[in-house]
Amino acid sequence: SQTIHQWPATLVQPVGSPLSLECTVEGTSNPNLYWYRQAAGRGLQLLFYSVGIGQISSEVPQNLSASRPQDRQFILSSKKLLLSDSGFYLCAWSDYYGYTFGSGTRLTVV
Amino acid sequence: SQQGEEDPQALSIQEGENATMNCSYKTSINNLQWYRQNSGRGLVHLILIRSNEREKHSGRLRVTLDTSKKSSSLLITASRAADTASYFCATDAGETSGSRLTFGEGTQLTVNP
Repeated sequence: SQTIHQWPATLVQPVGSPLSLECTVEGTSNPNLYWYRQAAGRGLQLLFYSVGIGQISSEVPQNLSASRPQDRQFILSSKKLLLSDSGFYLCAWSDYYGYTFGSGTRLTVV
Repeated sequence: SQQGEEDPQALSIQEGENATMNCSYKTSINNLQWYRQNSGRGLVHLILIRSNEREKHSGRLRVTLDTSKKSSSLLITASRAADTASYFCATDAGETSGSRLTFGEGTQLTVNP
Protein backbone atom coordinates (compact mmCIF):
# COMPACT_ATOMS: atom_id res chain seq x y z
CA SER A 1 0.00 0.00 0.00
CA GLN A 2 1.06 3.56 -0.57
CA THR A 3 2.36 5.59 2.33
CA ILE A 4 3.90 9.00 2.69
CA HIS A 5 6.44 9.98 5.31
CA GLN A 6 7.20 13.52 6.32
CA TRP A 7 9.60 14.68 8.99
CA PRO A 8 10.21 16.23 11.37
CA ALA A 9 6.78 16.75 12.94
CA THR A 10 7.78 20.00 14.63
CA LEU A 11 10.69 22.32 14.16
CA VAL A 12 11.79 25.55 15.82
CA GLN A 13 14.44 27.44 13.90
CA PRO A 14 16.02 30.88 14.36
CA VAL A 15 15.67 33.57 11.74
CA GLY A 16 18.43 33.30 9.16
CA SER A 17 19.03 29.59 9.66
CA PRO A 18 18.69 27.06 6.82
CA LEU A 19 15.80 24.64 6.42
CA SER A 20 15.44 21.17 5.00
CA LEU A 21 12.17 19.25 5.19
CA GLU A 22 12.00 15.82 3.64
CA CYS A 23 9.13 13.82 2.26
CA THR A 24 9.25 10.28 0.90
CA VAL A 25 6.60 8.15 -0.69
CA GLU A 26 6.35 4.37 -0.70
CA GLY A 27 4.30 1.98 -2.76
CA THR A 28 4.02 4.02 -5.94
CA SER A 29 6.27 5.08 -8.77
CA ASN A 30 6.56 8.38 -10.60
CA PRO A 31 4.01 10.14 -8.38
CA ASN A 32 3.11 13.79 -8.65
CA LEU A 33 4.46 15.38 -5.49
CA TYR A 34 3.47 18.61 -3.80
CA TRP A 35 4.47 20.95 -0.99
CA TYR A 36 1.70 23.01 0.61
CA ARG A 37 1.82 25.54 3.42
CA GLN A 38 -1.02 26.30 5.79
CA ALA A 39 -1.15 29.44 7.90
CA ALA A 40 -3.00 29.16 11.21
CA GLY A 41 -6.74 28.78 10.68
CA ARG A 42 -6.44 29.10 6.92
CA GLY A 43 -6.58 26.94 3.81
CA LEU A 44 -3.63 25.40 2.06
CA GLN A 45 -1.40 27.28 -0.34
CA LEU A 46 0.46 25.33 -3.00
CA LEU A 47 4.18 26.10 -2.92
CA PHE A 48 5.78 23.60 -5.29
CA TYR A 49 4.81 20.60 -7.33
CA SER A 50 6.79 18.03 -9.27
CA VAL A 51 5.78 15.60 -12.00
CA GLY A 52 9.15 13.84 -12.15
CA ILE A 53 12.77 13.72 -10.99
CA GLY A 54 14.38 17.13 -11.26
CA GLN A 55 11.14 18.76 -12.43
CA ILE A 56 9.97 21.45 -10.06
CA SER A 57 7.30 24.07 -10.60
CA SER A 58 6.92 26.97 -8.23
CA GLU A 59 3.55 28.49 -7.61
CA VAL A 60 4.55 31.54 -5.62
CA PRO A 61 7.81 33.48 -5.40
CA GLN A 62 9.28 33.20 -1.96
CA ASN A 63 12.18 32.37 0.24
CA LEU A 64 11.85 28.64 -0.31
CA SER A 65 13.01 26.13 -2.90
CA ALA A 66 12.26 22.49 -3.64
CA SER A 67 14.17 19.59 -5.11
CA ARG A 68 13.36 16.07 -6.21
CA PRO A 69 16.60 14.11 -6.25
CA GLN A 70 14.86 10.74 -6.46
CA ASP A 71 11.53 9.56 -7.81
CA ARG A 72 9.94 9.24 -4.39
CA GLN A 73 11.75 11.97 -2.49
CA PHE A 74 10.75 15.62 -2.32
CA ILE A 75 12.69 18.17 -0.30
CA LEU A 76 11.72 21.67 0.77
CA SER A 77 14.61 23.99 1.57
CA SER A 78 15.56 27.49 2.51
CA LYS A 79 18.98 29.08 2.81
CA LYS A 80 17.84 31.70 5.32
CA LEU A 81 14.53 31.46 7.13
CA LEU A 82 12.30 34.48 7.68
CA LEU A 83 9.73 34.94 10.43
CA SER A 84 7.03 34.79 7.74
CA ASP A 85 8.10 31.24 6.85
CA SER A 86 6.43 29.96 10.01
CA GLY A 87 3.51 27.66 9.28
CA PHE A 88 2.34 24.13 8.81
CA TYR A 89 3.99 22.43 5.83
CA LEU A 90 2.35 19.48 4.16
CA CYS A 91 3.72 17.13 1.56
CA ALA A 92 1.34 15.22 -0.68
CA TRP A 93 1.19 12.91 -3.66
CA SER A 94 -1.68 12.39 -6.06
CA ASP A 95 -3.20 9.75 -8.25
CA TYR A 96 -6.47 9.31 -10.14
CA TYR A 97 -8.43 8.98 -6.89
CA GLY A 98 -7.18 12.05 -5.09
CA TYR A 99 -4.40 13.32 -2.90
CA THR A 100 -2.71 11.70 0.07
CA PHE A 101 -1.13 14.07 2.55
CA GLY A 102 1.68 13.56 4.99
CA SER A 103 1.18 14.33 8.65
CA GLY A 104 2.79 17.74 8.30
CA THR A 105 5.65 19.71 9.82
CA ARG A 106 4.90 22.61 12.09
CA LEU A 107 7.69 25.14 11.59
CA THR A 108 8.15 28.03 13.98
CA VAL A 109 10.76 30.59 13.09
CA VAL A 110 11.89 32.60 16.10
CA SER B 1 -5.08 32.43 -5.30
CA GLN B 2 -7.96 30.74 -3.56
CA GLN B 3 -10.40 28.99 -5.84
CA GLY B 4 -12.81 27.33 -3.45
CA GLU B 5 -14.65 29.33 -0.86
CA GLU B 6 -16.47 27.49 1.87
CA ASP B 7 -19.36 28.69 3.89
CA PRO B 8 -20.07 28.87 6.66
CA GLN B 9 -16.64 29.59 8.11
CA ALA B 10 -17.75 27.96 11.34
CA LEU B 11 -20.62 25.65 12.19
CA SER B 12 -21.67 24.37 15.59
CA ILE B 13 -24.34 21.66 15.89
CA GLN B 14 -25.56 19.03 18.31
CA GLU B 15 -24.69 15.38 17.98
CA GLY B 16 -27.20 13.60 15.76
CA GLU B 17 -27.97 16.64 13.64
CA ASN B 18 -26.93 16.97 10.01
CA ALA B 19 -24.15 19.32 8.97
CA THR B 20 -24.09 21.01 5.58
CA MET B 21 -21.08 22.85 4.24
CA ASN B 22 -20.94 24.65 0.93
CA CYS B 23 -18.16 25.45 -1.48
CA SER B 24 -18.10 27.81 -4.43
CA TYR B 25 -15.40 28.11 -7.07
CA LYS B 26 -14.65 30.34 -10.00
CA THR B 27 -13.09 28.46 -12.92
CA SER B 28 -13.76 25.22 -14.76
CA ILE B 29 -12.72 22.11 -12.93
CA ASN B 30 -11.91 18.47 -13.61
CA ASN B 31 -12.98 17.37 -10.17
CA LEU B 32 -13.70 18.69 -6.70
CA GLN B 33 -12.49 17.05 -3.53
CA TRP B 34 -13.38 17.36 0.14
CA TYR B 35 -10.85 16.91 2.90
CA ARG B 36 -10.99 16.78 6.65
CA GLN B 37 -8.33 18.07 9.03
CA ASN B 38 -8.22 17.48 12.74
CA SER B 39 -6.50 20.20 14.67
CA GLY B 40 -2.77 20.32 13.93
CA ARG B 41 -2.85 17.22 11.76
CA GLY B 42 -2.55 16.37 8.10
CA LEU B 43 -5.48 16.33 5.71
CA VAL B 44 -7.54 13.24 5.10
CA HIS B 45 -9.19 12.73 1.75
CA LEU B 46 -12.94 12.21 2.14
CA ILE B 47 -14.48 12.12 -1.30
CA LEU B 48 -13.81 13.12 -4.91
CA ILE B 49 -16.54 14.09 -7.31
CA ARG B 50 -15.82 14.52 -11.02
CA SER B 51 -17.20 17.27 -13.17
CA ASN B 52 -19.58 14.88 -14.93
CA GLU B 53 -21.04 13.65 -11.64
CA ARG B 54 -23.83 15.37 -9.73
CA GLU B 55 -23.94 13.46 -6.47
CA LYS B 56 -21.80 10.99 -4.59
CA HIS B 57 -22.20 9.09 -1.33
CA SER B 58 -19.72 7.58 1.06
CA GLY B 59 -21.07 6.30 4.36
CA ARG B 60 -22.61 9.27 6.18
CA LEU B 61 -21.20 11.70 3.62
CA ARG B 62 -23.11 13.06 0.67
CA VAL B 63 -21.51 15.42 -1.83
CA THR B 64 -23.27 17.29 -4.58
CA LEU B 65 -21.78 19.22 -7.47
CA ASP B 66 -23.51 21.84 -9.59
CA THR B 67 -21.12 22.89 -12.33
CA SER B 68 -23.57 25.44 -13.72
CA LYS B 69 -23.51 27.28 -10.39
CA LYS B 70 -19.89 26.35 -9.70
CA SER B 71 -20.79 25.07 -6.28
CA SER B 72 -20.62 21.94 -4.18
CA SER B 73 -22.02 20.88 -0.84
CA LEU B 74 -20.91 18.36 1.74
CA LEU B 75 -23.58 16.86 3.97
CA ILE B 76 -22.66 14.85 7.04
CA THR B 77 -25.68 13.00 8.37
CA ALA B 78 -26.24 11.94 11.98
CA SER B 79 -23.16 13.84 13.13
CA ARG B 80 -20.96 12.61 15.96
CA ALA B 81 -18.62 14.44 18.29
CA ALA B 82 -15.74 12.75 16.45
CA ASP B 83 -16.75 14.63 13.28
CA THR B 84 -15.43 17.83 14.88
CA ALA B 85 -12.74 19.07 12.51
CA SER B 86 -12.04 21.54 9.72
CA TYR B 87 -13.40 20.63 6.33
CA PHE B 88 -11.88 21.89 3.09
CA CYS B 89 -13.00 21.75 -0.47
CA ALA B 90 -10.36 21.71 -3.18
CA THR B 91 -10.68 22.02 -6.91
CA ASP B 92 -8.55 20.32 -9.53
CA ALA B 93 -8.43 21.98 -12.94
CA GLY B 94 -6.89 18.81 -14.36
CA GLU B 95 -4.01 20.42 -16.24
CA THR B 96 -1.91 18.10 -18.35
CA SER B 97 1.27 19.30 -16.63
CA GLY B 98 0.13 17.74 -13.37
CA SER B 99 -2.98 18.28 -11.37
CA ARG B 100 -2.84 20.92 -8.69
CA LEU B 101 -5.41 21.34 -5.99
CA THR B 102 -6.59 24.80 -5.00
CA PHE B 103 -8.04 24.88 -1.50
CA GLY B 104 -10.65 27.00 0.13
CA GLU B 105 -10.29 28.48 3.60
CA GLY B 106 -12.29 25.73 5.24
CA THR B 107 -15.27 25.32 7.53
CA GLN B 108 -14.65 24.61 11.20
CA LEU B 109 -17.29 22.13 12.32
CA THR B 110 -17.96 21.60 16.01
CA VAL B 111 -20.29 18.79 17.02
CA ASN B 112 -21.39 19.11 20.63
CA PRO B 113 -22.14 15.90 22.53
